[in-house]
Amino acid sequence: RKEVEQDPGPFNVPEGATVAFNCTYSNSASQSFFWYRQDCRKEPKLLMSVYSSGNEDGRFTAQLNRASQYISLLIRDSKLSDSATYLCVVNYNTDKLIFGTGTRLQVFP
Amino acid sequence: DVKVTQSSRYLVKRTGEKVFLECVQDMDHENMFWYRQDPGLGLRLIYFSYDVKMKEKGDIPEGYSVSREKKERFSLILESASTNQTSMYLCASSKTSGEYFGTQYFGPGTRLLVL
Repeated sequence: RKEVEQDPGPFNVPEGATVAFNCTYSNSASQSFFWYRQDCRKEPKLLMSVYSSGNEDGRFTAQLNRASQYISLLIRDSKLSDSATYLCVVNYNTDKLIFGTGTRLQVFP
Repeated sequence: DVKVTQSSRYLVKRTGEKVFLECVQDMDHENMFWYRQDPGLGLRLIYFSYDVKMKEKGDIPEGYSVSREKKERFSLILESASTNQTSMYLCASSKTSGEYFGTQYFGPGTRLLVL
């Protein structure tokens, strides 16, 4: 079983839609959680950290459910520029990160 | 602005050649990482380093070695390139702790084709 699992998608949504991705992790010792974004043929970049109480950054909301060992990312009012692959990332309080394989989002006009 | 640079964006090599991939960061980060990224497999850690001259194996170190002689530079070496090492190679760096813990900054990647 993979340490971090994501639905690869693609999720095809119209502009203005709300879309949510989930990610599950296998190791209950996981300490920190992140969402990274990777544009086509580009490097990954940190989108946001995920805190236990949930957190919001503009149109993006991240949630953590430790009991069920999953993380979610909600994008409201989708823009064409949101089209990318979203990587779920966990950390066991070391300097190493464990990356999921990513969920691809395509926003169409 | 933070910056991680990689020596080549695209590289074509022949089977058996020795290949050097260079990575330089200008952020005074302690940690540096080498990943490869393949469709359906995601990012896989090859090696990482948390200090000069220190190195640790990642998940897939076979067929690779690394060198970190200076804090800002981390090299990945393919001793004898094989076709199954055709991939996208990504270098990253991060601080050990503090406000930006968990944030890795990536270089633009090197697409390596081994013929």
